[in-house]
Amino acid sequence: DVKVTQSSRYLVKRTGEKVFLECVQDMDHENMFWYRQDPGLGLRLIYFSYDVKMKEKGDIPEGYSVSREKKERFSLILESASTNQTSMYLCASSLGGQGTYGYTFGSGTRLTVV
Amino acid sequence: DQQVKQNSPSLSVQEGRISILNCDYTNSMFDYFLWYKKYPAEGPTFLISISSIKDKNEDGRFTVFLNKSAKHLSLHIVPSQPGDSAVYFCAASATGGGNKLTFGTGTQLKVEL
Repeated sequence: DVKVTQSSRYLVKRTGEKVFLECVQDMDHENMFWYRQDPGLGLRLIYFSYDVKMKEKGDIPEGYSVSREKKERFSLILESASTNQTSMYLCASSLGGQGTYGYTFGSGTRLTVV
Repeated sequence: DQQVKQNSPSLSVQEGRISILNCDYTNSMFDYFLWYKKYPAEGPTFLISISSIKDKNEDGRFTVFLNKSAKHLSLHIVPSQPGDSAVYFCAASATGGGNKLTFGTGTQLKVEL
């Protein structure tokens, strides 16, 4: 069974901390994505990557960075956590190329910044 | 600017009846549309999709209709079952957009006994 695994289901961090959210996929997918889900706002794209060491900004990249050193792993970094980054974070992966492919999502990380 | 909109945040339907979830989009470059279903504390799972060359796609109890001129799509669930209670997101992408999906705000469907 193919999987996208997010390392933590729940996290509580303090304001100003540096936070790492890890995501690993076992499907050899080229594309990986980070979204956040907030009530009334749906899923909003933070960053995505089409290949190792490659990254592109999504719609709301401010306050975040990412790292993709290996094809299967895509990390989201909150440089200095703030309370407005309290959210559900969802990682997804998909095949690459010119076609449109559905995403496989992880189970999400519920981050609370206090 | 919300390019994909789901104007109904919630919908309540009786078991056995039809559920109709609606989605509107503004970007005329979108040519592929998907519906995802999400249970609490889980990631979204793919449900059904449709290409802009079609106006209907069916998969079991789920049918998606696309009206390109109105920039509108809808998901029909017949018959609705209690296990269908979840948040439904529509999503859209454009060819050449690098498989980047733009999601709507979601509709919470509750199917009552």
